[in-house]
Amino acid sequence: GAVVSQHPSRVICKSGTSVKIECRSLDFQATTMFWYRQFPKKSLMLMATSNEGSKATYEQGVEKDKFLINHASLTLSTLTVTSAHPEDSSFYICSATGTGDFGAQPQHFGDGTRLSIL
Amino acid sequence: AQKVTQAQTEISVVEKEDVTLDCVYETRDTTYYLFWYKQPPSGELVFLIRRNSFDEQNEISGRYSWNFQKSTSSFNFTITASQVVDSAVYFCALSEYGYGQNFVFGPGTRLSVLP
Repeated sequence: GAVVSQHPSRVICKSGTSVKIECRSLDFQATTMFWYRQFPKKSLMLMATSNEGSKATYEQGVEKDKFLINHASLTLSTLTVTSAHPEDSSFYICSATGTGDFGAQPQHFGDGTRLSIL
Repeated sequence: AQKVTQAQTEISVVEKEDVTLDCVYETRDTTYYLFWYKQPPSGELVFLIRRNSFDEQNEISGRYSWNFQKSTSSFNFTITASQVVDSAVYFCALSEYGYGQNFVFGPGTRLSVLP
């Protein structure tokens, strides 16, 4: 149980392209979804937290106009990297939690999306 | 503010050796949760364990065991009789009750198990 599907797993595209990454909870309702960015050999850096039906909360230093997050349903959140540039190249990972005690629920992670901007 | 420290950046062991990964955390909350995740070379994060701050009982799951000590704010992870498939980056994480399920991840420990 608690499967999170992230798509696509890898994207290579030209500078200036917008890229959409999908994150789906397959067998549970995800009240909260998270988007992380991971640089090589580094830890996960939280970019934003989104709750279904409301605007995402972005971490300090993350450009909300660059990284558009939509959490349209209890099973789907999307991250759109707008007008991507080489410095946006990274590994992006989503996670989701279900209902329950705040803080107690483990986050279930997607397999990540490796984004390469040429 | 919450913080997680994993002092060991990289560890190499030979197969069948036991290895302990250290995790030290900081929090002002009395209710919090600690987690361990494994990230193999393929990149996905695999949930290993959750422990709440009121449960200091150690846990064993097969070759994995966890030692939670509130007195030293530590939540260490031991792999017994390590195997090559255990090679991965291991992250310790902390979540405080009532703060929206935000996790703070440690920097990770890269474990290499050599045949």
